[in-house]
Amino acid sequence: AQSVTQLDSQVPVFEEAPVELRCNYSSSVSVYLFWYVQYPNQGLQLLLKYLSGSTLVKGINGFEAEFNKSQTSFHLRKPSVHISDTAEYFCAVSKAGNTPLVFGKGTRLSVIA
Amino acid sequence: DVKVTQSSRYLVKRTGEKVFLECVQDMDHENMFWYRQDPGLGLRLIYFSYDVKMKEKGDIPEGYSVSREKKERFSLILESASTNQTSMYLCASSRTGTAYNEQFFGPGTRLTVL
Repeated sequence: AQSVTQLDSQVPVFEEAPVELRCNYSSSVSVYLFWYVQYPNQGLQLLLKYLSGSTLVKGINGFEAEFNKSQTSFHLRKPSVHISDTAEYFCAVSKAGNTPLVFGKGTRLSVIA
Repeated sequence: DVKVTQSSRYLVKRTGEKVFLECVQDMDHENMFWYRQDPGLGLRLIYFSYDVKMKEKGDIPEGYSVSREKKERFSLILESASTNQTSMYLCASSRTGTAYNEQFFGPGTRLTVL
């Protein structure tokens, strides 16, 4: 069975500082990986996804993530955060076939002015 | 753009009431999902459906049922609401045939059961 672990439940960071949100997954088969963002009182919005090819994936709002197969990780990064990045971030994994995504428990990013 | 809509953003019900949460998607997606979201627990899958009139239990189906009579609509039913069902409910949809199963989400319904 697949599982996703987001190693930090909360990450406070100052505005314009870099941030990394960590995600590890477990799966015995090839997977597809996603990061979603949820702004306050909204649904989830896709930030980026890894399907195949280059291990560095760029997403919206200046975010990027790196797929590391040997470490089974898919960490999300941004070199300089803004106040507007304050949100909850979810990592998710899917295996091939018609199966629901498996989500981590989320990381709440708080950007401090 | 895919659009997933949910019938209410906020809902307040009393214990024991029957509650219907409606979800509609406009992109002809085959798959639809219901999740509940609670602080510290992330998203937990309640039920999902791969086709009209089909349903599959997710991780926490107890106390819930679903209905999918039309492809675009997926309803979540709380037969007798209880206070422990106070939560944010999220609906999602996805297309069959893509290998990676990207899901598109609605804005959520925040349900309070008193």
